[in-house]
Amino acid sequence: AQKVTQAQTEISVVEKEDVTLDCVYETRDTTYYLFWYKQPPSGELVFLIRRNSFDEQNEISGRYSWNFQKSTSSFNFTITASQVVDSAVYFCALSEPLLTGGGNKLTFGTGTQLKVEL
Amino acid sequence: SAVISQKPSRDICQRGTSLTIQCQVDSQVTMMFWYRQQPGQSLTLIATANQGSEATYESGFVIDKFPISRPNLTFSTLTVSNMSPEDSSIYLCSVGRGPPSYEQYFGPGTRLTVT
Repeated sequence: AQKVTQAQTEISVVEKEDVTLDCVYETRDTTYYLFWYKQPPSGELVFLIRRNSFDEQNEISGRYSWNFQKSTSSFNFTITASQVVDSAVYFCALSEPLLTGGGNKLTFGTGTQLKVEL
Repeated sequence: SAVISQKPSRDICQRGTSLTIQCQVDSQVTMMFWYRQQPGQSLTLIATANQGSEATYESGFVIDKFPISRPNLTFSTLTVSNMSPEDSSIYLCSVGRGPPSYEQYFGPGTRLTVT
């Protein structure tokens, strides 16, 4: 069975600090997809990034960057110069094929609560 | 990405009653999913709702407790039946973007409290 581990339950930082959220996954599939989602206090889940297993290039989007390392089964997320608006729960997720009906489902980690304080 | 709405956004229900949650998408999608997020927990897939076929339930979830309808490619409902306080959760629908990306986009969620 697939598994996603986010060992950091809660992280608190002061604004403008850099912070890295860890994600470690387990899968037997050779082709898979990894995702990061943000859940602000309002509750809705916001899609941040998708990475497929064949693409190990790191990605940067503004203050966000992602480090995918297949050798260590990790897909870590770094926020540079954090801001109060970054306060949210961040989920890492792994896609796996559905047993029936085609398509994929997402297996989520337990999430990391990030608190950015002034 | 699709625009997804859910109704109701929140509700407080009595034990033993049922609640139907609606999920509406602004474009036709093949795959829709229903997730549950218990307080302070991660998301767990309840079932996959495909238009024109029976919903496929994950282990631990049964049709009698969580009946799902998918009458067309833009709409689905999830009913939480015979509710107990343990059903207090956020229920989220999502739409799947098929291969090759398989990413999912989520609705705003329905926050259910059972008393």
